[in-house]
Amino acid sequence: SQKIEQNSEALNIQEGKTATLTCNYTNYSPAYLQWYRQDPGRGPVFLLLIRENEKEKRKERLKVTFDTTLKQSLFHITASQPADSATYLCAPLGTGRRALTFGSGTRLQVQP
Amino acid sequence: ETGVTQSPTHLIKTRGQQVTLRCSSQSGHNTVSWYQQALGQGPQFIFQYYREEENGRGNFPPRFSGLQFPNYSSELNVNALELDDSALYLCASSPDRSSGNTIYFGEGSWLTVV
Repeated sequence: SQKIEQNSEALNIQEGKTATLTCNYTNYSPAYLQWYRQDPGRGPVFLLLIRENEKEKRKERLKVTFDTTLKQSLFHITASQPADSATYLCAPLGTGRRALTFGSGTRLQVQP
Repeated sequence: ETGVTQSPTHLIKTRGQQVTLRCSSQSGHNTVSWYQQALGQGPQFIFQYYREEENGRGNFPPRFSGLQFPNYSSELNVNALELDDSALYLCASSPDRSSGNTIYFGEGSWLTVV
């Protein structure tokens, strides 16, 4: 069955450092992969979408890579700030699929 | 602010009761999806509606049902509530049902079943 794995343990880093979050998937060939941010008690907020033919996508301090051979996406936040502290969810999506399938998310804590 | 509004924000129901959750999608969006998110987990897809018709369903029993109205607002109904139905219920809208569209989530409705 399809499986999406994100680091279940919280990631703690110091302000100013680069945070790297991992999303691995198995039994899956997504055409797209999306990353969302979710704050406690709030709905997820869309951050970035990367297509299978794109190796890398950037948006301000965010960078996402997509390696279809490794079946992995990496999500980077450079120059991290305490305001970046949240849970980050990855969601691969196949062409024609109706719904996003989410990983369980990785909680990022940026220490001042 | 995503333009997707949900109501109520919090509610408590008793096991066996029925509940209706409501969602007003972003203006111009004709596709609405509902997700269930248990504590510590990612959202799980319940179903999607496109132009008032169900357009896909996840692994949820028939006691989870929905509606979409001509103005594209939507309802999620859950009958015969069970304790495990306690979760955050999220509504998400998108411009159409095509894959790869950005979807916009509401803030959710917290349901507690006691």
